[in-house]
Amino acid sequence: DTAVSQTPKYLVTQMGNDKSIKCEQNLGHDTMYWYKQDSKKFLKIMFSYNNKELIINETVPNRFSPKSPDKAHLNLHINSLELGDSAVYFCASSRELADTQYFGPGTRLTVL
Amino acid sequence: GDSVTQMEGPVTLSEEAFLTINCTYTATGYPSLFWYVQYPGEGLQLLLKATKADDKGSNKGFEATYRKETTSFHLEKGSVQVSDSAVYFCALSDRGGSYIPTFGRGTSLIVHP
Repeated sequence: DTAVSQTPKYLVTQMGNDKSIKCEQNLGHDTMYWYKQDSKKFLKIMFSYNNKELIINETVPNRFSPKSPDKAHLNLHINSLELGDSAVYFCASSRELADTQYFGPGTRLTVL
Repeated sequence: GDSVTQMEGPVTLSEEAFLTINCTYTATGYPSLFWYVQYPGEGLQLLLKATKADDKGSNKGFEATYRKETTSFHLEKGSVQVSDSAVYFCALSDRGGSYIPTFGRGTSLIVHP
């Protein structure tokens, strides 16, 4: 059973479009995260939710909006996509804040 | 704020060589320290961790000791294999501070047969 899953795995789209990435975890964790990894492998945290409450909201354009319908799901919606949004986006979860994180397989977003 | 500094790569070794990847950190509270590994095309996965000073984390032949006096958490392995080729990330989560997970920039390891 996959612990943290993301869909889609690949996403190719045009500039200006709106897209969503979905994340689900079946570990019973309270905390979920979104990260962006650039082409040099640098990992930047974007958001974190704890028990459906937004607790980390780093410097991210407001075109990015996370949504957590329940503790097991954290989706990422991106409006008006730009070339610079091209990256791999990782979802992760942890039992509680500051605990070991479990990462999904990533979604490779390419904006043309 | 919190920060993690790790040596730049790539680190290129021959099979069975000794590996050290340096990692130092700054934190305001009581950080837990982690090493994650990312294999090509995959997400990160925990390699080992330590939650307090002088703890040693170990897994799959890799080891790292939480050194508060030198604010370091260096990763070591006595004999690397080709299958260890991956990107290694040092990270911290500061329980008494911001709780924001902080990652180093990653170190690519390439092991040749």
